[in-house]
Amino acid sequence: DIQMTQSQSSLSASVGDTITISCRASQAINNYLNWYQQKPGKAPNLLIYGATTLQSRVPSRFSGSGSGTDFTLTISSLQPEDFATYFCQQSYRTPWTFGPGTKVEIK
Amino acid sequence: QVQLVQSGAEVKRPGSSVTVSCKASGGSFVNYAFSWVRQAPGQGLEWMGGIVPVFGTSNHAQIFKGRVTITANKSTDTAYMELSSLRSEDTAIYYCATISTLSRGTFDSWGQGALITVSS
Repeated sequence: DIQMTQSQSSLSASVGDTITISCRASQAINNYLNWYQQKPGKAPNLLIYGATTLQSRVPSRFSGSGSGTDFTLTISSLQPEDFATYFCQQSYRTPWTFGPGTKVEIK
Repeated sequence: QVQLVQSGAEVKRPGSSVTVSCKASGGSFVNYAFSWVRQAPGQGLEWMGGIVPVFGTSNHAQIFKGRVTITANKSTDTAYMELSSLRSEDTAIYYCATISTLSRGTFDSWGQGALITVSS
């Protein structure tokens, strides 16, 4: 199975900051990498697929980059509603696997 | 975009089975592939398996081999996930999700989740 890691289990930031969240795959997955946002008590919500493509109706302050094994989610000008947990997920090969998540907290 | 509504929370005894349903509306059921993902309390996300109703084909993660059965009823636009031989470690929120038609293995719509508690 492909293991996904996220180096930061949590990070603190302020409204208006730009933050980056990292994700690494245990083997090359081309650009088959997706990002999800999850708020407490809610289902995950797809933000970015194919490493860089913004899902419909997701604000443009979210962006993704990377290929191969290393990927990044960037949130520019952090908004109050962005404080949540973010998961990466590989869609290169089943079983589809997720990173452990990065919780973005208010500083 | 399709809407997914799942069955409610349940408490089950160890060794028993549970079936969670996922009814789709707002789209053509046979156009979608469905997956099941679970999340233990305070933990990450774990893909369990999926089904493509139009073909009737399903697959599942090896760690659930022999314990998970995923089915779909095209006449009621509902997908099902049955997990047997339950143990305390199966306590989790179980989500159904559709697979994006634009990107394989990408979960683009989610149900609200069903909390399954396994306790004696």
